[in-house]
Amino acid sequence: SQKIEQNSEALNIQEGKTATLTCNYTNYSPAYLQWYRQDPGRGPVFLLLIRENEKEKRKERLKVTFDTTLKQSLFHITASQPADSATYLCALDDKIIFGKGTRLHILP
Amino acid sequence: NAGVTQTPKFQVLKTGQSMTLQCAQDMNHEYMSWYRQDPGMGLRLIHYSVGAGITDQGEVPNGYNVSRSTTEDFPLRLLSAAPSQTSVYFCATSPGNTIYFGEGSWLTVV
Repeated sequence: SQKIEQNSEALNIQEGKTATLTCNYTNYSPAYLQWYRQDPGRGPVFLLLIRENEKEKRKERLKVTFDTTLKQSLFHITASQPADSATYLCALDDKIIFGKGTRLHILP
Repeated sequence: NAGVTQTPKFQVLKTGQSMTLQCAQDMNHEYMSWYRQDPGMGLRLIHYSVGAGITDQGEVPNGYNVSRSTTEDFPLRLLSAAPSQTSVYFCATSPGNTIYFGEGSWLTVV
């Protein structure tokens, strides 16, 4: 069956550094992969979508890569700020499978 | 533009009681779904609908019923609440790929 893993439950990054979150999947070849941000007590909010034929996607300080050979997506936040602290979720294209999320803490 | 509206925000139920979580959207999306989110388990799909009159089961459908009589509304019914159904519930809609979530309904079953 399909499986998706975000290999860090929590990540502490110093303010100003680049935060890199990992999403790995198995037993599936998604047409696209998505990243969401979730703040405590709120619903997830869409950030970026990357298709299988795209190696990289950028949006302001965010960058997502998609390696279909490694079956992996990396999510980068450059020049990180305390306001970037949240849980980040990745999801495969079928809307069914979400990763458990990585809690990111940006330390001032 | 309200987006996806869930009610109630918080609810405490006794074991065996029934209740309905309401979800309404004003984005005219055909696809709607319900997820539950538990610590350490992530988001899990309960039921989904690809249009009015059409519903299907997700990963964890047992103990829940849904119906879709209109494009706007997708209620989730708990027929006989159990403590294992204590969770945060999210309703979501989608125009095709991106998912728009509601703010969540916190349910405690005692």
